[in-house]
Amino acid sequence: AQSVTQLGSHVSVSEGALVLLRCNYSSSVPPYLFWYVQYPNQGLQLLLKYTTGATLVKGINGFEAEFKKSETSFHLTKPSAHMSDAAEYFCAVSVTNQFYFGTGTSLTVIP
Amino acid sequence: EAGVAQSPRYKIIEKRQSVAFWCNPISGHATLYWYQQILGQGPKLLIQFQNNGVVDDSQLPKDRFSAERLKGVDSTLKIQPAKLEDSAVYLCASSTDTYEQYFGPGTRLTVT
Repeated sequence: AQSVTQLGSHVSVSEGALVLLRCNYSSSVPPYLFWYVQYPNQGLQLLLKYTTGATLVKGINGFEAEFKKSETSFHLTKPSAHMSDAAEYFCAVSVTNQFYFGTGTSLTVIP
Repeated sequence: EAGVAQSPRYKIIEKRQSVAFWCNPISGHATLYWYQQILGQGPKLLIQFQNNGVVDDSQLPKDRFSAERLKGVDSTLKIQPAKLEDSAVYLCASSTDTYEQYFGPGTRLTVT
């Protein structure tokens, strides 16, 4: 069975500091991996995805994530947090045409 | 390109009433998904359509929830009768393949 674990339901960082949101997955087959962002009262927006190829994936708004098969991880990072990054972030796994989402991490950016 | 459209955006009903949500996917997207997102949780897939056929409805509470996708385009999700625990945001998404889903703004349902 597939599952997605996001460590830390709430993360706070200072403006300009590094953002690190953690995601681990379990899958019996190589998955496709995604990070989505959700702003209040809006749907989910794709930040980035990993399907095949280069394990370091760059997305929108300066975010990137690295697929580490040995650690079954797909952590999301951004070198310098901006106030506009405050939102809910979801990691997701797609296996055999089915999607599984983590429980989300709420990011707060402190001015 | 127009995004995924959903209506209504908000709905308040009493328990045991019925409610319906509508979704219009991005033009040309063959796959359509309905998710339930309870406050503080990630989206949970309710049903997935490929054109007008059902691919996965294993987590759809079929005693009260139903969904259809007529002509492989628009879709309607219905709840009858509603329970308090159905209070959630109902998200619709569409995709051309399994690599990327495009989400609508969601419908926030409150059952009192």
